[in-house]
This record gives sequence, structure tokens and C-alpha cells, in this order.
Amino acid sequence: DAGVIQSPRHEVTEMGQEVTLRCKPISGHNSLFWYRQTMMRGLELLIYFNNNVPIDDSGMPEDRFSAKMPNASFSTLKIQPSEPRDSAVYFCASSLGQEDQPQHFGDGTRLSIL
Amino acid sequence: KQEVTQIPAALSVPEGENLVLNCSFTDSAIYNLQWFRQDPGKGLTSLLLIQSSQREQTSGRLNASLDKSSGRSTLYIAASQPGDSATYLCAVSRWALNFGKGTSLLVTP
Repeated sequence: DAGVIQSPRHEVTEMGQEVTLRCKPISGHNSLFWYRQTMMRGLELLIYFNNNVPIDDSGMPEDRFSAKMPNASFSTLKIQPSEPRDSAVYFCASSLGQEDQPQHFGDGTRLSIL
Repeated sequence: KQEVTQIPAALSVPEGENLVLNCSFTDSAIYNLQWFRQDPGKGLTSLLLIQSSQREQTSGRLNASLDKSSGRSTLYIAASQPGDSATYLCAVSRWALNFGKGTSLLVTP
């Protein structure tokens, strides 16, 4: 079975550029989560969707970050303009959206902003 | 705000030892607690999920317990092996996950 698929795996770009991260959740999962992992802060929730609708975006750092889920099989996280402090590993996870179901994580996108 | 703490931050043990990793959380209003494993440069692999109404879950050499009232969970690893070396993360859920900082485990041959 295909797991959660994220692309790209690595992204290096210069400060000020737009960055788009992509995620394909596991087929049939109706909840999707974006997390960010840094050495200092660990893993933190950015936003999550249920049935393609954003439920909680309180973790999105600022207006430079935006996330969309146009359909059940695709989500994007966009940073515009990017800054060096955005450098981190960004994970996408999906679940069946029930409290007894685990979240399944992708391999992450390692983002470096120069 | 939910705070999740994991102790110890790092642990080194010789192969074959049994070991316990600890997790504590401040808000007992959770749906479930999950233990994950993360290998360097990789994503997270779910090991065990304990629902809020359960006390423990077992998978192979792993056993996780949950005491919701005291805000504690433990992950017990029996007969540790070098392949168990990884970072172990505890997370509590009210839909989205709140993570601890993890315990970095090294099992030496």
C-alpha cells in the first residue's frame, strides 16, 4: 500500500523565493496534517484539514504561510516569501479521522532557505 | 496549552537490556496517545496507539502503558537490539498531535 507521499524530498532555495511543498495522503484518509520539525522546537502542528476543510490553522507562523487542500488526494503548503528561519523538515500526515486511528507520516521535505 | 515531556532525552544501553522510556503530559483531556519511532533523516513510524479508555497496548517486544489521570505513559522495550536505535517520540492527540521532544536511544552491540 502506498503511504503518504511528499515532494520534493529536499528543497534548497534563496531567501525571498516562493516555496511549495506537496502531499498526497493515503487513499481513503479524510484527515490531513502539516507539521514542522526543528531542533529547537521539535515537532509542531501547522494546520490540519478534515474532509478537505481547514479545521485548525493556529499553528501557521504568519501570513507568509498558506495551505490548501483542493481535493481529497492532494494538499500544498506554500511559503511566500521564504526566510532562513523557515528552514526545517516539513511533514505531512494523514489518518482516517477517528480517535482510535493512528496518523501516518510521509518522509518529509527537508527545506533549507539560504 | 498541552505540554508533553519525555525523559530521558538520551539513553545508551547494551544489547539485551530491558528499558523504559517515559512520557508525561499536562492536560488529561486526550483522545489517544501514540508512540513513534524516527530514524535519522526519515519520517515517523507509528509503533503503538493507546486510546484514552485503554491502559496498555503491546506489539512484539514493545509495551506501552497509559495512566491518563496522572498524565503519564511509558514505553517498555524488552531485550533491546542494535536495530532499536532511533529517536522515540510520544504524542498526545485531540485530533492533531502534540509531541514531546523525544528520547534518543542507542543500543550498543
